[in-house]
Amino acid sequence: RKEVEQDPGPFNVPEGATVAFNCTYSNSASQSFFWYRQDCRKEPKLLMSVYSSGNEDGRFTAQLNRASQYISLLIRDSKLSDSATYLCVEERGKLIFGQGTELSVKP
Amino acid sequence: ETGVTQTPRHLVMGMTNKKSLKCEQHLGHNAMYWYKQSAKKPLELMFVYNFKEQTENNSVPSRFSPECPNSSHLFLHLHTLQPEDSALYLCASSQDTQETQYFGPGTRLLVL
Repeated sequence: RKEVEQDPGPFNVPEGATVAFNCTYSNSASQSFFWYRQDCRKEPKLLMSVYSSGNEDGRFTAQLNRASQYISLLIRDSKLSDSATYLCVEERGKLIFGQGTELSVKP
Repeated sequence: ETGVTQTPRHLVMGMTNKKSLKCEQHLGHNAMYWYKQSAKKPLELMFVYNFKEQTENNSVPSRFSPECPNSSHLFLHLHTLQPEDSALYLCASSQDTQETQYFGPGTRLLVL
C-alpha cells in the first residue's frame, strides 16, 4: 500500500464549482500534513497546513480525519487559476508526497 | 521569487557524460534536499542535508553524488546516468527538517 494515496484525477469542473479531494495515509502515528500546489512544469508550493481542528483559508478548507486516516481539501467557487496538481503531504521526520490530484477548471 | 534557485533549468546529457546540478538558497535555511519527480509518480526524496551534514540517503544509486559545501549551496553530481534517470530534479530548503520546505524551479534532465 502506498504511504500517501491520492486519486490522480483529472478532475474537470466548471468555474464556480465546489470540488473536494481526499488523501489517505498509512501511518497512524503521523502528526503533520500539508497540501502543496504544483502548476504545470513548475515547482511545488505550500498551499496550506492541515490542522486537527480543520482550517480554512479563503475558498480553501483542509480537514484531517485521524480515525479514518485521511485528509481532505475543499475548494469553493473554483477559479480558472485553481487549475493545478494538488499534492497531499505527510510529515514524518521527512516529507512524504502523494502522487497528486490534477484539477482542471473550465470556463 | 528567488528564494531557491537552480541551474541549469534544462539539461540534456549522454550516458557517458558527467554534469552537475546546482542549488542555492537565499533564505537562511539550515536544511536542503534533493528530490526526483518522474512523470505520473510522487516526488521521491533523494538526499537530505542538515547543517551541511548528510542525514538521509534514500537508497539512491551511486551515479548520483551530492555535495553540500555550506548551508546555502547544494550540488548533485551526475555520471554514467541511464535514460530512466530522465526526470525533473527539485531542490528544496527549510529552516529545519520539520519545517515547511521551499522548492526551487527544478532542473529538467534528459538522458539520451
